[in-house]
Amino acid sequence: DQQVKQNSPSLSVQEGRISILNCDYTNSMFDYFLWYKKYPAEGPTFLISISSIKDKNEDGRFTVFLNKSAKHLSLHIVPSQPGDSAVYFCAASALWYGGSQGNLIFGKGTKLSVKP
Amino acid sequence: DAGVIQSPRHEVTEMGQEVTLRCKPISGHNSLFWYRQTMMRGLELLIYFNNNVPIDDSGMPEDRFSAKMPNASFSTLKIQPSEPRDSAVYFCASSRPDSSGNTIYFGEGSWLTVV
Repeated sequence: DQQVKQNSPSLSVQEGRISILNCDYTNSMFDYFLWYKKYPAEGPTFLISISSIKDKNEDGRFTVFLNKSAKHLSLHIVPSQPGDSAVYFCAASALWYGGSQGNLIFGKGTKLSVKP
Repeated sequence: DAGVIQSPRHEVTEMGQEVTLRCKPISGHNSLFWYRQTMMRGLELLIYFNNNVPIDDSGMPEDRFSAKMPNASFSTLKIQPSEPRDSAVYFCASSRPDSSGNTIYFGEGSWLTVV
């Protein structure tokens, strides 16, 4: 059973508009959430994160929103640029799971295409 | 700073052969992870080490898969014997605890094709 779900496999957005990528999780123990971006033939790269004590974190054009009651987070990119075209993975962890540094559980990714 | 370094980048091998993937984590990172990416299952964790000790290997698919971390700067993932369904991209990643949480940094992946 998937603990982190990205229900949209793909998203297409016009350059300059807002991109909204969504992610849902089921495990209430998760307390740290991240977004990774992946270009073809490269490894995922860290983009932005949020701790469960916050409901919003912003870094330039990227903002992550967390709704703990709904177990939902989203990544907003505004304005979207063609270089943002990539696969975006949502990930979650229980920070100190089992007393050791926990691992990340990833969603299956959403492929974003930003059209000029 | 050098990132996570994986080798080989690409490997094509015949079914039944042994495959060894290698990883050098970022210096100072005390956790190391092996992930596998496939179209069907996305990014799935195979095993992770903390301070060179395997913590969770529940994602290792079968006994054909084994991983070692003999020291803080090196890890291997071995598949013996390899099968066509093992074809995937294998990512190594590392992290260290920091005040903001558990951010994992990935290598560029080892693309394995078993024919």
